[in-house]
Amino acid sequence: SAVISQKPSRDICQRGTSLTIQCQVDSQVTMMFWYRQQPGQSLTLIATANQGSEATYESGFVIDKFPISRPNLTFSTLTVSNMSPEDSSIYLCSVNLADTQYFGPGTRLTVL
Amino acid sequence: QQQVKQSPQSLIVQKGGISIINCAYENTAFDYFPWYQQFPGKGPALLIAIRPDVSEKKEGRFTISFNKSAKQFSLHIMDSQPGDSATYFCAASMGWTGANNLFFGTGTRLTVIP
Repeated sequence: SAVISQKPSRDICQRGTSLTIQCQVDSQVTMMFWYRQQPGQSLTLIATANQGSEATYESGFVIDKFPISRPNLTFSTLTVSNMSPEDSSIYLCSVNLADTQYFGPGTRLTVL
Repeated sequence: QQQVKQSPQSLIVQKGGISIINCAYENTAFDYFPWYQQFPGKGPALLIAIRPDVSEKKEGRFTISFNKSAKQFSLHIMDSQPGDSATYFCAASMGWTGANNLFFGTGTRLTVIP
């Protein structure tokens, strides 16, 4: 299995600012995923990040709003840019290891 | 458009009872169907998964039943325990490797009453 940590665990931010979320995994993994879980709702994939290549974004998500870095095989960051209250969600990092997707604990973001 | 539809939204079961959560999908290209369990403040954790070439998979008290022709699958929790109280998500993807985009259902909040 994979142990995934995320920082921060939660944050309250002002409209128009940006927040960078960090994801650290205890194993080297090729594929990392970022999901969004809006309050009481399902999980939606934002993007897939492979080390050494540009992230692939899902429909409805763009790089300017959610830039992603993947500097090595155990680490990734997701930035939520120019935030609005609609960005209030839980952001989850996920990795694929041994054909299974494991999830981090999430970052609970509230935008005022 | 929700690719995977899940019901019920919430479920209350007595301890020792059977919890049943249902999911349906439309995309016949899906060939991997996992169930995730999520406790408050935690990320989803894989509970059990099935491929469409079998109709049932059992792991302990947890069973997935799969009906390919109806495009439906369900999670059965036998002898439900208060510790099973959590939110359960079904999901589907194209590709057994788990490396592909998981399409999640809307979740079922299960409460098991002692």
